[in-house]
Amino acid sequence: RKEVEQDPGPFNVPEGATVAFNCTYSNSASQSFFWYRQDCRKEPKLLMSVYSSGNEDGRFTAQLNRASQYISLLIRDSKLSDSATYLCVVNGDKIIFGKGTRLHILP
Amino acid sequence: DTGVSQDPRHKITKRGQNVTFRCDPISEHNRLYWYRQTLGQGPEFLTYFQNEAQLEKSRLLSDRFSAERPKGSFSTLEIQRTEQGDSAMYLCASSDRTGDHFYGYTFGSGTRLTVV
Repeated sequence: RKEVEQDPGPFNVPEGATVAFNCTYSNSASQSFFWYRQDCRKEPKLLMSVYSSGNEDGRFTAQLNRASQYISLLIRDSKLSDSATYLCVVNGDKIIFGKGTRLHILP
Repeated sequence: DTGVSQDPRHKITKRGQNVTFRCDPISEHNRLYWYRQTLGQGPEFLTYFQNEAQLEKSRLLSDRFSAERPKGSFSTLEIQRTEQGDSAMYLCASSDRTGDHFYGYTFGSGTRLTVV
């Protein structure tokens, strides 16, 4: 199993729809988790941390499932501006980035 | 601007030349990281510093690569005898990590290197 794995996509989703994607990790001792957003040819930017109890920030909801070792990101009422690559980051004995999931919101 | 600054933004160099990149982290952050990112991949860890001490280096960091953070503030990444495979975005990030707590990175805009 890869240390951090994401479906590369692309996910092509109509504007206004809800989209969700997961990120699996192999190190059960991982301590903290994050979602980053990266626009084309730009640097990654922190979108949100992922807490054990799940957390929400506006249209974005992040959840952690320790038993199955994955984190998820849900985007509701998607906007054209949500088009980007979403990277998960897992902090275990080292900090590892996933390869990212590409999201295209279609008008 | 109190973010992470990287210079230059773009660098085109001929194979075999040496290049040096600079990173100025957020001033109160004690940790500084260098990552490399190629198209379609996530950032790959190269090395990190806590203050001026280089604490870890990836196997990706061949002996042609060297990084310094002499005064615990800005850092430089030098690549000697560049190869076409070195073409990538080089990202610097800083964080305020104490103990086991990690609050996420702040990345700079990156230096895009093209080796021709």
